[in-house]
Amino acid sequence: DGGITQSPKYLFRKEGQNVTLSCEQNLNHDAMYWYRQDPGQGLRLIYYSQIVNDFQKGDIAEGYSVSREKKESFPLTVTSAQKNPTAFYLCASSRAAQETQYFGPGTRLLVL
Amino acid sequence: QKEVEQNSGPLSVPEGAIASLNCTYSDRVSQSFFWYRQYSGKSPELIMSIYSNGDKEDGRFTAQLNKASQYVSLLIRDSQPSDSATYLCAGVFASGGSYIPTFGRGTSLIVHP
Repeated sequence: DGGITQSPKYLFRKEGQNVTLSCEQNLNHDAMYWYRQDPGQGLRLIYYSQIVNDFQKGDIAEGYSVSREKKESFPLTVTSAQKNPTAFYLCASSRAAQETQYFGPGTRLLVL
Repeated sequence: QKEVEQNSGPLSVPEGAIASLNCTYSDRVSQSFFWYRQYSGKSPELIMSIYSNGDKEDGRFTAQLNKASQYVSLLIRDSQPSDSATYLCAGVFASGGSYIPTFGRGTSLIVHP
């Protein structure tokens, strides 16, 4: 089956802790994206990568970091600098940057 | 700043009616537009993509793009209760050699029996 997987489904973060959200795709897509969604809100772009080994900041990159060492993987780290991390995090990929994005199932991050 | 604007709703229509969802954007260097449907607690799923001016039809759905007016719409014919969801409009805009996606806040649609 081709698709995008995200893990874990739920993640709990303690104060001062860094946590990493996984995103993997086997669609052979060049571009990958991370979004944050707060209740009743749209999607806000955190980071995006249009090709392996390269990525750019989106609108709300502060407190987050990413890597793109492999075409199929784009992990997101939520650092302790992100003071309000509770949200629904969505990963997406597209064949090329201007084409349709397909979404993973999401990770819900909660703060203990 | 590239903005995509949608009325948050809710838009309420009776079953069998046409639902009309609208979206405007503030940057002229647009590449492509997309409509996604999102059920509560789930991830967005693609309904339609549209890349050029005019209409594009797929089953009960018709997307319309007018780049001169910076306007995108989605019509849902014969609306069903299962169409009740939030509809997200998204655009991809060219900027400095990159293509940057921007989503609207979404319009909540309620189809009542």
